[in-house]
Amino acid sequence: RKEVEQDPGPFNVPEGATVAFNCTYSNSASQSFFWYRQDCRKEPKLLMSVYSSGNEDGRFTAQLNRASQYISLLIRDSKLSDSATYLCVVNINPDSWGKLQFGAGTQVVVTP
Amino acid sequence: ETGVTQTPRHLVMGMTNKKSLKCEQHLGHNAMYWYKQSAKKPLELMFVYNFKEQTENNSVPSRFSPECPNSSHLFLHLHTLQPEDSALYLCASSQDTGGVTEAFFGQGTRLTVV
Repeated sequence: RKEVEQDPGPFNVPEGATVAFNCTYSNSASQSFFWYRQDCRKEPKLLMSVYSSGNEDGRFTAQLNRASQYISLLIRDSKLSDSATYLCVVNINPDSWGKLQFGAGTQVVVTP
Repeated sequence: ETGVTQTPRHLVMGMTNKKSLKCEQHLGHNAMYWYKQSAKKPLELMFVYNFKEQTENNSVPSRFSPECPNSSHLFLHLHTLQPEDSALYLCASSQDTGGVTEAFFGQGTRLTVV
């Protein structure tokens, strides 16, 4: 089983619609979680951290489900500019130096 | 402007060449990382430096040689690479290596080995 697993997509979303996708992680001791956004041929950029209670940033909502070991990202009122690959990032080993483990990404394509 | 700058942005090199990638962070962070991103694959962690000391080498072939002279600068020296080493090489920094704080990435060096 991969340490961090994502549905690669693509998720084709009409402009204005809502899209949601999950990311599963294997290490139950993981403590920190992030969603990054990566545009084509560009570097990943932090979209939002994911907190235990869930958090919202404008049209974006992130949730953490520790029991089932997944995090989710929901995008409301999708914009064309939301088209990107969304990377799930997990700290899989907080007891040591720790390293951020990246999923392969979920591609979202917002269409007019 | 991410606070992490990488040069060059693009590099084409032959298999017998020697080249170096440079990364500089202006964020006052203590940890720096090299990642490799191949097409359709997750980012692969290559090296981790914390306070200039290498704390992780993720089974990277010796044809990749990192150097961290101080907490703000990180190099990746390349020699006798293979075509399959062609990828986007990303440098990142974070406050620490505990993974609690987020990592900030440079724009990457797109490397092509011919």
